Amino acid sequence: QSVLTQPPSVSAAPGQKVTISCSGNTPNIGNNPVSWYQQLPRTAPKLLIYDNDKRPSGSPDRFSGSKSGTSATLGITGLQTGDEADYYCGSWDNSLSVVVFGGGTRLTVL
Amino acid sequence: ELLLVESGGGLVQPGGSLRLSCAASGFTFSTYWMSWVRQAPGKGLEWLANINEDGSVKYYLGSVRGRFTISRDNAMNSLSLQMNNLRAEDTAIYYCVRKGLGDYWGQGTLVTVSS
Repeated sequence: QSVLTQPPSVSAAPGQKVTISCSGNTPNIGNNPVSWYQQLPRTAPKLLIYDNDKRPSGSPDRFSGSKSGTSATLGITGLQTGDEADYYCGSWDNSLSVVVFGGGTRLTVL
Repeated sequence: ELLLVESGGGLVQPGGSLRLSCAASGFTFSTYWMSWVRQAPGKGLEWLANINEDGSVKYYLGSVRGRFTISRDNAMNSLSLQMNNLRAEDTAIYYCVRKGLGDYWGQGTLVTVSS
């Protein structure tokens, strides 16, 4: 049972847009920034979004992040088959003094 | 080029010990928090521990506190994870990660705990 809650899977057609939600609580998302990671099959996770909505260099602008209260959202536009991956959100939790991750969302591009 | 290269994984019996290492290059290692994150087969990410820049502050996941010890050698640009009293549920890929909410991840090293 993950501290942050994500839908297990989402799907959409190539070229379409999809959003992935990440729900937490005040000690984590409510009071700390959220990061998003992409894990392609059989590879290490890669940072997509940090500080809720910032993209590191090399992260395509088709990926966006937002946060409101105790929830965060990852948006992906112009879906490509190469976007098929597992996506994770993460945040620091002030009460637990640990980094907490969501359970991950598998994106399928139909 | 920024690189994080883990080593030290392998097969170990329940109750045994293993020491993982991470060689860092391409950035000023001594100015960053570092972390270990693991991923059990077919499962999600699980943060284990992190350590501040000079090694004076450490945080651990409750289930590994007392069994795992994170440490660093800034002179050698190296991060370590000493794992004792290993259990079957510790079987996972272990990633070395820069910063608490990792901006760069190593490729991982596989630890298998089995008799």
